[in-house]
Amino acid sequence: DQQVKQNSPSLSVQEGRISILNCDYTNSMFDYFLWYKKYPAEGPTFLISISSIKDKNEDGRFTVFLNKSAKHLSLHIVPSQPGDSAVYFCAAILFSGGYNKLIFGAGTRLAVHP
Amino acid sequence: DGGITQSPKYLFRKEGQNVTLSCEQNLNHDAMYWYRQDPGQGLRLIYYSQIVNDFQKGDIAEGYSVSREKKESFPLTVTSAQKNPTAFYLCASKVTAGDKAFFGQGTRLTVV
Repeated sequence: DQQVKQNSPSLSVQEGRISILNCDYTNSMFDYFLWYKKYPAEGPTFLISISSIKDKNEDGRFTVFLNKSAKHLSLHIVPSQPGDSAVYFCAAILFSGGYNKLIFGAGTRLAVHP
Repeated sequence: DGGITQSPKYLFRKEGQNVTLSCEQNLNHDAMYWYRQDPGQGLRLIYYSQIVNDFQKGDIAEGYSVSREKKESFPLTVTSAQKNPTAFYLCASKVTAGDKAFFGQGTRLTVV
């Protein structure tokens, strides 16, 4: 049962335009949502997060939007740069029974071209 | 510098052998995690731990074992019962009530 879903395996965007990466989830009890960026053969690096009680969080070129009624979140990158080309993972944290369970989606490969 | 260290970076194992992947953190984090990534796939949770001497199975724990004898260390053993162990393994840690998890650089395990 995949609780965090990224249905688009890849996305191609022109440099300077907006990149929108989407993520859906099934568990309404998730407490936080996060986005990570990953290059091949490296560990993921944290980009931005949002608490389940908020609907928007911004950090520079990155903005995450949360729509709890639709169980959907998205990451907007504006403007997109070639260095943004990587795999982006959506993740969710569930605080339950004293444990923090951190669950990831399958990832979306973003390619930003000149 | 604080961070998470995974070793070794590359590991080769013969079929039928157990192998242990190391994960050490000096961030004073309580929660630690092990994930597996296969080509073209996401990160699947193997085991996670909140405190010393306690851990929980993730979504794909079969064929793996862990220990948490020290707060700083969360080694993962890939046993011979794991039928398809070749993958990229990632360790992460975070503070209990925080959101951001930090990752190590990963260990690529190959069965030969």
